This record gives sequence, structure tokens and C-alpha cells, in this order.
Amino acid sequence: DVKVTQSSRYLVKRTGEKVFLECVQDMDHENMFWYRQDPGLGLRLIYFSYDVKMKEKGDIPEGYSVSREKKERFSLILESASTNQTSMYLCASSNVGGRYEQYFGPGTRLTVT
Amino acid sequence: DAKTTQPPSMDCAEGRAANLPCNHSTISGNEYVYWYRQIHSQGPQYIIHGLKNNETNEMASLIITEDRKSSTLILPHATLRDTAVYYCIVSYFGNEKLTFGTGTRLTIIP
Repeated sequence: DVKVTQSSRYLVKRTGEKVFLECVQDMDHENMFWYRQDPGLGLRLIYFSYDVKMKEKGDIPEGYSVSREKKERFSLILESASTNQTSMYLCASSNVGGRYEQYFGPGTRLTVT
Repeated sequence: DAKTTQPPSMDCAEGRAANLPCNHSTISGNEYVYWYRQIHSQGPQYIIHGLKNNETNEMASLIITEDRKSSTLILPHATLRDTAVYYCIVSYFGNEKLTFGTGTRLTIIP
């Protein structure tokens, strides 16, 4: 089974802190994604990566950056966390050439105080 | 990608078929219809996708109208574990980016 794991289920950070959210997939997928999910807004794509060291902005990249140094790992970085970044963050991966089905991790609920 | 419209919520009795509608009137000829669901406290899970023919797998059936402007996801014998938010997404095959809306919250009633 494909497994996508995220470093934490719950995280509490202070305003202004630098925050790293880590995601690891074990199926050698080319594509990896970061979404945030907020009540009433659904899932919104922040960034995605289609290869190591490659990235593309999603719909709401402001305030975030990403890093993909290894194929299996995709990190989301909040350079200076703000309260409006309190949200559920979901990581996903998918394979090129298959069904393009995205496999999701369990999510990290981040609270910025 | 074409926009989709889904009812915000639905109820279904346990053991009955759950029929979840989705409108996608602006779908283009080579856009697929994808369905995902998200059970509480989990990430979304792929269910099924289709282009114009009806599709069935171990989880569900997908019925797409002949004009492709709407579709219905059918869970043939709903169980309590099917309580979730269901997302209908329209996208080009091979488009890595999927746009999730707010979906339909399906509640299975015992």
C-alpha cells in the first residue's frame, strides 16, 4: 500500500516562528503536493513538485515556501508563521503515467498563537 | 478546469444506495470526472474516475450523463463507514493539479 506520512498530527507554534512541515512517501512517486484545508473553503493547493528540486506555485503560495531535495520528501516551510496560517495541512503524492490518483497523508493540524 | 456544483449535504439510510449528484456543465471534451472522499480526521481518498462511459469498481459506480454535464456517484449499499465528505472534481487527465471544492457531506443514518 502507498503510504504518505506527515511529521506531526498536531503542532502549536508562536507568531513569527519558522515552521517546517515534513512529508514522506514510500512509493517513488514523482509528484508531491501541499494543501491547506479550512472550513467552508475546501482544500486549496499551496505548492506542488513534479521532480526533485522542481516546484510550482499552487493557488495560495503566499507566505509559504517548499523544498524537495530527495524524491520521497517534500517540506513545507512557513518562514514567519502568522495566525492566519492556522489550518489543517495535507500532503499528497501521485505517480506520472498511472491514474494520477493522489494519495494523501493524515494531515497536520497547525495552530499559530 | 471546469467548475463543479454539489449539494452541501445529504443523508442516506444504512443499507440503501447513496446517490451523490454533481453538475459540471462547462466540462470540455477531454476532461475527466474524479471522485474523492474524506472521512473525518483523515486525508482524502480516491474513489473512481471516468470520461464518458459509466465506471464501476469495488467502492462505487460512476454514472455520467450522455451530454457529460452531470454525473452521479453511487454507493450501492451504504454503511456507517461511508459517512464522509465527497468531492467531485473535473480535470484533464494528466493534469497533476486537482481543484477540490467544498464537496457534499454525506451522513449515513443507522
